[in-house]
Amino acid sequence: SQKIEQNSEALNIQEGKTATLTCNYTNYSPAYLQWYRQDPGRGPVFLLLIRENEKEKRKERLKVTFDTTLKQSLFHITASQPADSATYLCALGGDSGGGADGLTFGKGTHLIIQP
Amino acid sequence: ETGVTQTPRHLVMGMTNKKSLKCEQHLGHNAMYWYKQSAKKPLELMFVYSLEERVENNSVPSRFSPECPNSSHLFLHLHTLQPEDSALYLCASSQEPGSIEGSPLHFGNGTRLTVT
Repeated sequence: SQKIEQNSEALNIQEGKTATLTCNYTNYSPAYLQWYRQDPGRGPVFLLLIRENEKEKRKERLKVTFDTTLKQSLFHITASQPADSATYLCALGGDSGGGADGLTFGKGTHLIIQP
Repeated sequence: ETGVTQTPRHLVMGMTNKKSLKCEQHLGHNAMYWYKQSAKKPLELMFVYSLEERVENNSVPSRFSPECPNSSHLFLHLHTLQPEDSALYLCASSQEPGSIEGSPLHFGNGTRLTVT
């Protein structure tokens, strides 16, 4: 069955450092991958989309890589700030086994940026 | 403001009650979704509507009944729920349904449902 794994434990990073979050998948051939941010008591907010033919995507302090050979995406936040503390979700889509919205979500990684 | 508004934000109901969750999107999108989010579990897709027509029902128990009267409004009618149905219920919309283009989902802030 399709499976998505994200860092199961909370990730603690010192302010100013680069935070790197991992999304690994198996039994899946996604056409694209999306990253979302979710704050407590709020719905997820879309951050970035990267397609299977793209190696890297950047947006301000965010960078996403997508390696279809390793079946892995890395999500980087450079110069991290306490305001970046949140849960980050990866979602894969475009596989023929997907549902009508084509998205399969991971459980998310809780990121804590310490001052 | 996310462009997707859900009411109520919190709901406590007994197992014999009937209640409804409401969602409204102000983005002009063509697809709307209901998701369930439980602690330590991935988001679970419940229902998808495309242009007011239901296109997906992921084996959701009949005690959950969706309704989409137009492309801007979505309801989730609840009756005879179980305590394990307690969760955060999220509504989302996207420009296009389906997976081909990868249209991002725009979520509301959810309804926190507690079934006693």
